[in-house]
Amino acid sequence: DSGVTQTPKHLITATGQRVTLRCSPRSGDLSVYWYQQSLDQGLQFLIQYYNGEERAKGNILERFSAQQFPDLHSELNLSSLELGDSALYFCASSVEGQGSGGNTIYFGEGSWLTVV
Amino acid sequence: GDSVTQMEGPVTLSEEAFLTINCTYTATGYPSLFWYVQYPGEGLQLLLKATKADDKGSNKGFEATYRKETTSFHLEKGSVQVSDSAVYFCALMVSGYSTLTFGKGTMLLVSP
Repeated sequence: DSGVTQTPKHLITATGQRVTLRCSPRSGDLSVYWYQQSLDQGLQFLIQYYNGEERAKGNILERFSAQQFPDLHSELNLSSLELGDSALYFCASSVEGQGSGGNTIYFGEGSWLTVV
Repeated sequence: GDSVTQMEGPVTLSEEAFLTINCTYTATGYPSLFWYVQYPGEGLQLLLKATKADDKGSNKGFEATYRKETTSFHLEKGSVQVSDSAVYFCALMVSGYSTLTFGKGTMLLVSP
């Protein structure tokens, strides 16, 4: 158990709909990351928040957005869903906001999203 | 840009065989290197890491050495078990940045 908690574990929804994925980081971690894992694209970094502020942005679509709340939990909002958005979405957390040898990133078990 | 290249799988071995999964990288800065493992139906778990050249990371019988001259971080295990069957991801993090760049993953299948 990494200490990173994600809900829901599985989600099935229709095209055009909107969903919210939730993440609670490890106790004491200030950084939260979102990654998407799909068969064709592999593991892709979406976005990072550090202590409530956006720190880095990767290959995140405009239809997707995220935020980190004062209690440090984070939500990833996916809207106007398409079949190609079906994937495993990982949340991860770390203590630090910038890379260093000690900045290990811990992953949750992921949220499986199926768009039908 | 930064990238990680892993050998394609699946790698199929018998129990107690020797394992090598190759990983090479390209980085714009000085990276830390990681191996993550994903067991069936589970999330990513950190297996081991190395933060500077010639460092050896090790855990659960797995080890990998950071080779700057060959830009490699190959994963090895002397004797695999059926329970090692999983997908293994090599990743890097460049100093000053906080995001991981992953390889495509290598599936390992170990049979009794």
